[in-house]
Amino acid sequence: DAMVIQNPRYQVTQFGKPVTLSCSQTLNHNVMYWYQQKSSQAPKLLFHYYDKDFNNEADTPDNFQSRRPNTSFCFLDIRSPGLGDAAMYLCATSPYPIGAGGPYEQYFGPGTRLTVT
Amino acid sequence: AQSVTQLDSQVPVFEEAPVELRCNYSSSVSVYLFWYVQYPNQGLQLLLKYLSGSTLVKGINGFEAEFNKSQTSFHLRKPSVHISDTAEYFCAVEGAQKLVFGQGTRLTINP
Repeated sequence: DAMVIQNPRYQVTQFGKPVTLSCSQTLNHNVMYWYQQKSSQAPKLLFHYYDKDFNNEADTPDNFQSRRPNTSFCFLDIRSPGLGDAAMYLCATSPYPIGAGGPYEQYFGPGTRLTVT
Repeated sequence: AQSVTQLDSQVPVFEEAPVELRCNYSSSVSVYLFWYVQYPNQGLQLLLKYLSGSTLVKGINGFEAEFNKSQTSFHLRKPSVHISDTAEYFCAVEGAQKLVFGQGTRLTINP
């Protein structure tokens, strides 16, 4: 089955220690999104890639970076995690971005729960 | 700018009872509306979507929603809930360049 995969499902890191979260997809979608979801809150979009074009949300802290080496994979790098970065991180994909003649459904992965100690 | 308000943060119901989860939106452009479900420690799964046409939209797992333009609402309903419907439900509207989510409604089913 085509899907969005996130690894690991649970990640523990230390305060200030860089961490990378991984997302892969078999849907061959052009767009990959990263969301941050804190406890009992709505998902918050951090950024997205449309092919190789990176689109950052204005309020995403510089501490958060992303890489997309190919169509299938996208990584979320947190350079110096703080206690406030503990959250569920959700990856999603869609064929095309919002505003490109859709709408296009977003397909979500199961998420990675990040704990910062 | 687009926004979504989910009027109830928590909704407890008994098994086999009907349920309605309320959602109001504001949008200055064409309205595309969605309901997503999130089971514990899982990602979001699309329940249903309204794009155009019939205002009554049927989704998966027996859920349906009604789009009401005059009341700017998109309430989610199920005539008879099951224990397995226990989850967080998010209403969303397509905004400029991104999905705008409501704060979520936690549905708990009591036996």
